[in-house]
Amino acid sequence: QMQLLQSGAEVKKPGASVKVSCQASGNTFTDYYLHWVRQAPGQGLEWMGWINPNSGGTNYAQKFQGRVTMTRDTSISTAYMELNSLRSDDTAIYYCARESSSSSYNWFDPWGQGTLVTVSS
Amino acid sequence: DIQMTQSPSSLSASVRDRVTITCRASQSISNYLNWYQQKPGKAPKVLIYGASSLRSGVPSRFSGSGSGTYFTLTIRSLQPEDFATYYCQQGYIYPYTFGQGTKLEI
Repeated sequence: QMQLLQSGAEVKKPGASVKVSCQASGNTFTDYYLHWVRQAPGQGLEWMGWINPNSGGTNYAQKFQGRVTMTRDTSISTAYMELNSLRSDDTAIYYCARESSSSSYNWFDPWGQGTLVTVSS
Repeated sequence: DIQMTQSPSSLSASVRDRVTITCRASQSISNYLNWYQQKPGKAPKVLIYGASSLRSGVPSRFSGSGSGTYFTLTIRSLQPEDFATYYCQQGYIYPYTFGQGTKLEI
């Protein structure tokens, strides 16, 4: 059973960058796409994109194109999400989640525990 | 982008009640619809995938139905641990999108 462990909370100033990590254990890291989803305080869920840990290929939501970079280090089964030019409205909990699939359907399971990123001057 | 609209946004119910949450997509998504449950301070957990398939380990009181643009999540005989926020999510086309959530309260 795969588990995803994320890095700790971050506080950043506007304009800075943040890099959140997501370490996988319990299953082959390169077998499943990893997605990033964020949730602003008291708000809903917003999909940011995915990385294919096997190839390093990525697909970003247009909203984040140019500001987000997803990478991975297969030697330590870890994926990263870096967000640049931070603004106050980037304050959110950032989750990584594995894409699970069956019969052409896919869903997010499991999820990491979340990383709170606070952007404040 | 496909817009997902849930109703109601919040719902008051009691233990042993039967409740239904609806989710509408702005265009057809076939059966590529998932339901998640989220409790305060926790990551979401999948309940239903493919509109009606129950994720292994999820109690059978949860059920999903629908296709195209209209979907429902039904919980029969609510239990105390079911009070949470529920989200639908389309997995048909990128960008994947979620409904705004339905908060189920006592």
